[in-house]
Amino acid sequence: EAQVTQNPRYLITVTGKKLTVTCSQNMNHEYMSWYRQDPGLGLRQIYYSMNVEVTDKGDVPEGYKVSRKEKRNFPLILESPSPNQTSLYFCASSLAPPRVETQYFGPGTRLLVL
Amino acid sequence: DAKTTQPNSMESNEEEPVHLPCNHSTISGTDYIHWYRQLPSQGPEYVIHGLTSNVNNRMASLAIAEDRKSSTLILHRATLRDAAVYYCILRLYSGAGSYQLTFGKGTKLSVIP
Repeated sequence: EAQVTQNPRYLITVTGKKLTVTCSQNMNHEYMSWYRQDPGLGLRQIYYSMNVEVTDKGDVPEGYKVSRKEKRNFPLILESPSPNQTSLYFCASSLAPPRVETQYFGPGTRLLVL
Repeated sequence: DAKTTQPNSMESNEEEPVHLPCNHSTISGTDYIHWYRQLPSQGPEYVIHGLTSNVNNRMASLAIAEDRKSSTLILHRATLRDAAVYYCILRLYSGAGSYQLTFGKGTKLSVIP
């Protein structure tokens, strides 16, 4: 089954404790991205990657890092989480532009930073 | 960057058609119009996309204005399962080979039994 998986689904942590949210897709997609979703603000793109070793900033990249060492994985790293990073996070993947393809989204990771 | 404007919320009666509008007055010639929806407690899912011509699929229809400054997502018969937030998105592509997806706040559709 074609899917995007995220782990963990729920995470409670404390300010400053480094964490990684993993994202994996099994569709051989080149393009992957991370979004955060906050009430009243909709979905905002954090980072995206066009292919292995190619990443770029989205709308809200501050406080986040990403890496793309393998095509199927695109982890999101919070090196020093702060309470304003409490949010619902989604990973997504698709074939790369200029092909116009749908994005497949993961189930989401709900993060609470105390 | 081109942005989209959608009503915050809409209501529909079950089994009636629903027309969800989206304005994108600064759209460029290479921007595709995509629609996604997000059911409660789930990630967004693809609904439909188009460039210039109207499009139909099993989920919905997309009507694009001739000047491309607006579009309308049409659900032909709303069901309770269609209650979701609907996002109209422009898929921006730059000549440098990178692009960005920008979601707006979407329209929350409520379906009344």
